[in-house]
Amino acid sequence: QVQLQESGPGLVKPSGTLSLTCAVSGGSISSSNWWSWVRQPPGKGLEWIGEIYHSGSTNYNPSLKSRVTISVDKSKNQFSLKLSSVTAADTAVYYCARDAQLEEDGRAFDIWGQGTMVTVSS
Amino acid sequence: QSVLTQPPSASGTPGQRVTISCSGSSSNIGSNTVNWYQQLPGTAPKLLIYSNNQRPSGVPDRFSGSKSGTSASLAISGLQSEDEADYYCAAWDDSLNGQVFGTGTKVTVL
Repeated sequence: QVQLQESGPGLVKPSGTLSLTCAVSGGSISSSNWWSWVRQPPGKGLEWIGEIYHSGSTNYNPSLKSRVTISVDKSKNQFSLKLSSVTAADTAVYYCARDAQLEEDGRAFDIWGQGTMVTVSS
Repeated sequence: QSVLTQPPSASGTPGQRVTISCSGSSSNIGSNTVNWYQQLPGTAPKLLIYSNNQRPSGVPDRFSGSKSGTSASLAISGLQSEDEADYYCAAWDDSLNGQVFGTGTKVTVL
């Protein structure tokens, strides 16, 4: 079965760039699914960051769009997140998730990574 | 800045039925399907309901979803202690061109 695993630095300095990778195993990133990043600040709710298709098409949360880049590496079967100009407000658990077309009329995040905590601090 | 509104908390005794509401607008729930996620303490969210009322394989039929207009609901019947978790609704928003999550509801089993 498909599994997702996030990796990257757990500590990023303010004004720096947060970089995370999500490795896809047990399936191909080139399947007919979108791949998303979702974050959750400590004690708070879920926030969608953005998504990518294997073709490279992307959609981003308008509130983060100016600072976010999501890319895909089909050769490594993984996708990545870069968030620039980070502040303490970007401290959160970051999840990657598969956004699958389970029904003709909609998609859902059916597989999630375990999440990785990223702290923004000097 | 969640676009979908949920009550912050809900509770019930074992065996009771609990309902969680999710209020949106014409650009999200009103024109797209709703999904529900369960997040147990310290774990990643898990898909509970998709396409308004469909259960993934392995999800007990105690969980059910419905949608009417710009609102959706999740019902948990025969509440069990292991249902204590945070629950989030989600939908695509055509105006934002992105996914939006609900504010989240913490379910407590008394």
